Amino acid sequence: GAGVSQTPSNKVTEKGKYVELRCDPISGHTALYWYRQSLGQGPEFLIYFQGTGAADDSGLPNDRFFAVRPEGSVSTLKIQRTERGDSAVYLCASSSDVDTQYFGPGTRLTVL
Amino acid sequence: AQSVAQPEDQVNVAEGNPLTVKCTYSVSGNPYLFWYVQYPNRGLQFLLKYITGDNLVKGSYGFEAEFNKSQTSFHLKKPSALVSDSALYFCAVRALQMEYGNKLVFGAGTILRVKS
Repeated sequence: GAGVSQTPSNKVTEKGKYVELRCDPISGHTALYWYRQSLGQGPEFLIYFQGTGAADDSGLPNDRFFAVRPEGSVSTLKIQRTERGDSAVYLCASSSDVDTQYFGPGTRLTVL
Repeated sequence: AQSVAQPEDQVNVAEGNPLTVKCTYSVSGNPYLFWYVQYPNRGLQFLLKYITGDNLVKGSYGFEAEFNKSQTSFHLKKPSALVSDSALYFCAVRALQMEYGNKLVFGAGTILRVKS
C-alpha cells in the first residue's frame, strides 16, 4: 500500500524566507511525527500529533517553527524567517499505534 | 531522558560473513527498541523492534537483534552479510511509559560496508 509521502522532495530558499513542508501520512494512521536530520546525525524529534492536536511539541527549536494538522491527516511544517542553520532533511513519520513509526522519504531543505 | 549510543561510526565486513552493529541505550523504565536502515537519499526503513517477550527479535531481510536488559544493549545481527546490506543503520529507543512522550530518540548511525 501507499507509504508516507512528503512534498517537495527538495526545497532551496533564501535566508529570511518562509517555507512550508507537507506530509501525507499512511491512510488511517492517527499519529504523525516530524523529525529533522542534519548531515551525519540521527533524526531529532520536532513534534508529534495525535489526531488534530499537537500532543508533544517539545522538540521545536524556537518559535519560527510551527506545524499544523487541521483535519487529522495531512500535516504542514512551517518555518518562518529561515536561517542557514535550518538546512537539513525534514522527515515525517506516521503510526497507527504507539510503537512502529513509518517514515517518508524526507524533504531536503537548503537555506542559502 | 532517553539516549542511544552507537559506538562504531562504520562497520566493515566481507560478504558471507556474520555482521554485528552495536547499540546501547538509556531510558527511564522499560524500553521500546527499534532498528531502521537508510539508503542514500531515501527515508528510514523499519527493520525490527523489541517491545516485550522473547529477547531475540527477527526482522526484515534476515536481520535479527538481541535485547539484553542487564547490558542495556540491542545489537543488530545477520548471520551472512550481503553487499546489498551496505547502508546507514540507526538504533532508536522510546520509553514505554507515555509520560515520557511518544518520540523516538535515535543514535548517530553506523555505516555498514559489505565488500564482495
